[in-house]
Amino acid sequence: NAGVTQTPKFQVLKTGQSMTLQCAQDMNHEYMSWYRQDPGMGLRLIHYSVGAGITDQGEVPNGYNVSRSTTEDFPLRLLSAAPSQTSVYFCASSRPGLTDTQYFGPGTRLTVL
Amino acid sequence: GENVEQHPSTLSVQEGDSAVIKCTYSDSASNYFPWYKQELGKGPQLIIDIRSNVGEKKDQRIAVTLNKTAKHFSLHITETQPEDSAVYFCAASKAAGYSTLTFGKGTMLLVSP
Repeated sequence: NAGVTQTPKFQVLKTGQSMTLQCAQDMNHEYMSWYRQDPGMGLRLIHYSVGAGITDQGEVPNGYNVSRSTTEDFPLRLLSAAPSQTSVYFCASSRPGLTDTQYFGPGTRLTVL
Repeated sequence: GENVEQHPSTLSVQEGDSAVIKCTYSDSASNYFPWYKQELGKGPQLIIDIRSNVGEKKDQRIAVTLNKTAKHFSLHITETQPEDSAVYFCAASKAAGYSTLTFGKGTMLLVSP
């Protein structure tokens, strides 16, 4: 069991570039989510999914897109990166109803110049 | 929506002392309250959680208390050790079918030998 994996670990982008942050889990969890972590701000929810084909917005969704075509994968897309998106991004998964424990990945540190 | 306030933002203690971190929440419908520990360069990891039908829960040196009337919950760490040094986050959710967590802004705990 690898748990929640995220790639890449580090990324530097120029303003206006696009990229996809990858997230995968092998625990058959229905619920997956993306958070961003900024100094002094805690973790803020970007988007979440309660199952394949179903996604919804969190607290800070602007500038990010998601899709969920399989149970295992939940990629986060930045269509046109901005310096305000410089942050550490965490993916998490859980199996609601059985336990609400959310398991977090190791994070992706993104810098937008 | 839910709002979670966490205090203090930093906490320094001597090894062997106790540490207490407090959180308040705004949504009376929230009924699941986890605590996460985040070590440098890693993703948050669940250390203990409590549900609204329980007032206190213990796990070795860690305990969490919940006061639903006052809408606050606290993390207690006894006999602190240097390896307890980390950032701790509280969170709240309704946990009704899915687990959208709202996090506090975190407490940096420093345990000096």
